[in-house]
Amino acid sequence: GAGVSQSPRYKVAKRGQDVALRCDPISGHVSLFWYQQALGQGPEFLTYFQNEAQLDKSGLPSDRFFAERPEGSVSTLKIQRTQQEDSAVYLCASSLPGTSGNTDTQYFGPGTRLTVL
Amino acid sequence: AQSVTQPDIHITVSEGASLELRCNYSYGATPYLFWYVQSPGQGLQLLLKYFSGDTLVQGIKGFEAEFKRSQSSFNLRKPSVHWSDAAEYFCAEGYNFNKFYFGSGTKLNVKP
Repeated sequence: GAGVSQSPRYKVAKRGQDVALRCDPISGHVSLFWYQQALGQGPEFLTYFQNEAQLDKSGLPSDRFFAERPEGSVSTLKIQRTQQEDSAVYLCASSLPGTSGNTDTQYFGPGTRLTVL
Repeated sequence: AQSVTQPDIHITVSEGASLELRCNYSYGATPYLFWYVQSPGQGLQLLLKYFSGDTLVQGIKGFEAEFKRSQSSFNLRKPSVHWSDAAEYFCAEGYNFNKFYFGSGTKLNVKP
């Protein structure tokens, strides 16, 4: 079956531009996650949706970052007024929810590499 | 705060040699632990996971990992490395409804 897909795979933006990154999760997966992976680092949690509800956005680094999942499937991560420090790979993951309080496996997309000049 | 530590940034092994990648976690009496592999330009692929039960976990591609509560460790092993195993490996701990904490990764080079 199809995995998690992300688009675009590469994005170059001039400092100050707005960007929108798209994630298509695995069909039927209720939970969706965004991570930021800086060069040479592990992924860092940004935000988490269960269906269309954004349950945790504690990892968003500033109010320039905004994520949505209006119909509980496709999600968009938007970064306004991009800065050079936003350059990173943005990973999306989806999962079936575990039972209450438990954790389930996350399946990752290939990522979008954002370069801000 | 929760953290996952991978002490080795780079490891080089010869093809056919055994491999052990170290991972230490910091949170939870009952941690949810994962190993992922990332090839250049690719997303993260799940190798194996530990939720409970048998502390020796088998994964894909001949990998296994052992959970040791006394050492807060979840080290990844493979008895005989193949050139195609060259990649970056990430250990992760799941917490509180799926929030994952990742280590900083270990890059594996395989010598012919």
